[in-house]
Amino acid sequence: DQQVKQNSPSLSVQEGRISILNCDYTNSMFDYFLWYKKYPAEGPTFLISISSIKDKNEDGRFTVFLNKSAKHLSLHIVPSQPGDSAVYFCASQIGGNYQLIWGAGTKLIIKP
Amino acid sequence: NAGVTQTPKFQVLKTGQSMTLQCAQDMNHEYMSWYRQDPGMGLRLIHYSVGAGITDQGEVPNGYNVSRSTTEDFPLRLLSAAPSQTSVYFCASSSTLETQYFGPGTRLLVL
Repeated sequence: DQQVKQNSPSLSVQEGRISILNCDYTNSMFDYFLWYKKYPAEGPTFLISISSIKDKNEDGRFTVFLNKSAKHLSLHIVPSQPGDSAVYFCASQIGGNYQLIWGAGTKLIIKP
Repeated sequence: NAGVTQTPKFQVLKTGQSMTLQCAQDMNHEYMSWYRQDPGMGLRLIHYSVGAGITDQGEVPNGYNVSRSTTEDFPLRLLSAAPSQTSVYFCASSSTLETQYFGPGTRLLVL
């Protein structure tokens, strides 16, 4: 049973527009959420995170929104750039527990 | 700063063979971990360590052994490789429970 779900395997967005990547979770004990970005033949790199005490966190072009009642988080990238083309993973964690539970990833393609 | 390094980059094994995947970090991080990534799935934690001499099992530990004799190194051993262990393996390290830094991965094919 997948505790973290990214239901869109891929997403195609025009350069300069907004990219919205979605993630749903089932475990209400999760209280920390992270987004990682992965290029082919490389390891994932940390992008942005959010604690369950917040509903929004921004870092430059990247904003993560958390809706605890819906058990849903989303990553917004504005404006989208060609270098943003990658696979994006969301991961969830229970505070004090090292283990991250990962979604299957969404491949983002930015079209010129 | 090399960050997290993994060797080899790619390996082909026959069923039943053993091998060790190497992982090293130069950031003096206490936490280190091994993940596997299979097609269509997220990363799954195999084993992790919260410091030298301390290891624990993750979500999918069967068929793998680890040890942590130094802060820098965290090797992953496959005792008797099986085709089900064909995967991409990532090592990660971190100084906190949250943000983890990943190596480039090792692609393993077991025939």
